[in-house]
Amino acid sequence: DADVTQTPRNRITKTGKRIMLECSQTKGHDRMYWYRQDPGLGLRLIYYSFDVKDINKGEISDGYSVSRQAQAKFSLSLESAIPNQTALYFCATSDPGRGLDTQYFGPGTRLTVL
Amino acid sequence: ILNVEQSPQSLHVQEGDSTNFTCSFPSSNFYALHWYRWETAKSPEALFVMTLNGDEKKKGRISATLNTKEGYSYLYIKGSQPEDSATYLCAFKGDFGNEKLTFGTGTRLTIIP
Repeated sequence: DADVTQTPRNRITKTGKRIMLECSQTKGHDRMYWYRQDPGLGLRLIYYSFDVKDINKGEISDGYSVSRQAQAKFSLSLESAIPNQTALYFCATSDPGRGLDTQYFGPGTRLTVL
Repeated sequence: ILNVEQSPQSLHVQEGDSTNFTCSFPSSNFYALHWYRWETAKSPEALFVMTLNGDEKKKGRISATLNTKEGYSYLYIKGSQPEDSATYLCAFKGDFGNEKLTFGTGTRLTIIP
């Protein structure tokens, strides 16, 4: 079984709809992240959480919100989706041991906003 | 916003040839440099993490070097095989406590059989 899972894997929605992307992990890591990937732009950090009570904005948090329901669950919401939020979204976890924060990625969610 | 650059953006290499590409990052406040391999339709997977100037890591035919003083890392692939086709991402981590990773845009490598 995958250590980091994301649901849904693919989603097509319309402008203005509320969307939630979910991430679960069985790695036991405290740190979780949401990234989006756009062609030519690499992975950009949306939000991150270093433990259940810690939520932080990344470099592109506008238009997004998150919820850390438990150590194992970190959800990303688009309150009112817009077409330029069409992208591939990755959830990741990390173990801060030695401060290296090697990232373990989920399979990705491909979101299309029409 | 930290500047992490990778070059070239894409690369086509004949099977059996060796190749290398570059990751450039800030030379100040360095903590760690990560390399990830990202195959199409899969998720990125960690290849190497390097922390010390002069570090060299190796996994099979793939190796990486690190120069923190001038702010660059090279990834080398010896005797390229079709299964090496992937996007290779580097990520910089600074030393300001709980710094997040800043990813480069990647080098997309295609091996031509």
